[in-house]
Amino acid sequence: KAGVTQTPRYLIKTRGQQVTLSCSPISGHRSVSWYQQTPGQGLQFLFEYFSETQRNKGNFPGRFSGRQFSNSRSEMNVSTLELGDSALYLCASSVQSTGLGTYEQYFGPGTRLTVT
Amino acid sequence: AQSVAQPEDQVNVAEGNPLTVKCTYSVSGNPYLFWYVQYPNRGLQFLLKYITGDNLVKGSYGFEAEFNKSQTSFHLKKPSALVSDSALYFCAVRDPAGGFKTIFGAGTRLFVKA
Repeated sequence: KAGVTQTPRYLIKTRGQQVTLSCSPISGHRSVSWYQQTPGQGLQFLFEYFSETQRNKGNFPGRFSGRQFSNSRSEMNVSTLELGDSALYLCASSVQSTGLGTYEQYFGPGTRLTVT
Repeated sequence: AQSVAQPEDQVNVAEGNPLTVKCTYSVSGNPYLFWYVQYPNRGLQFLLKYITGDNLVKGSYGFEAEFNKSQTSFHLKKPSALVSDSALYFCAVRDPAGGFKTIFGAGTRLFVKA
């Protein structure tokens, strides 16, 4: 089956602009999480959505927002971009099988955002 | 506040030898613990997860991790390292009592020498 897809793969924006990143999870996965990866701060959790509801949010300013649609696709938006927002943004979809006690999580290739 | 530490920036091991990548954590409740691997040009991958139950968790690619509550550790292990295991490994913790936010360690780079 198809993996997690993220669009666009690369993006260059100017300070002050806003950006929207998209993530399509694996079919059947209702949970989508977003992460930011930078050389300085490492991997940081942004937010998690399940069935269109935000379940939890990391320690990021309100400029970072997200949403999930009824088909489980998710978008994240960053407004008023700052130089420090330059990063690799990763999306992951996951599924927990309570009966089998299994958990699967798959990451997309990421969107590389450069803010100039 | 929850936190996770990977005390080694880099681990070097010879192919065929056992490997251990260390992780310690601090949470207020019962933790959910994860290991991830990031291969060059292959993105981030989930290896394994501990919630409850057996302290030894088996994951992908022959990796396993041992949960030790008294030492608040969750070390990643593999009995016999492969050159292809060379990658960046991240430990992560999620504290149900802390709003289920996921905190990542800084990462440990594993080099396996042939």
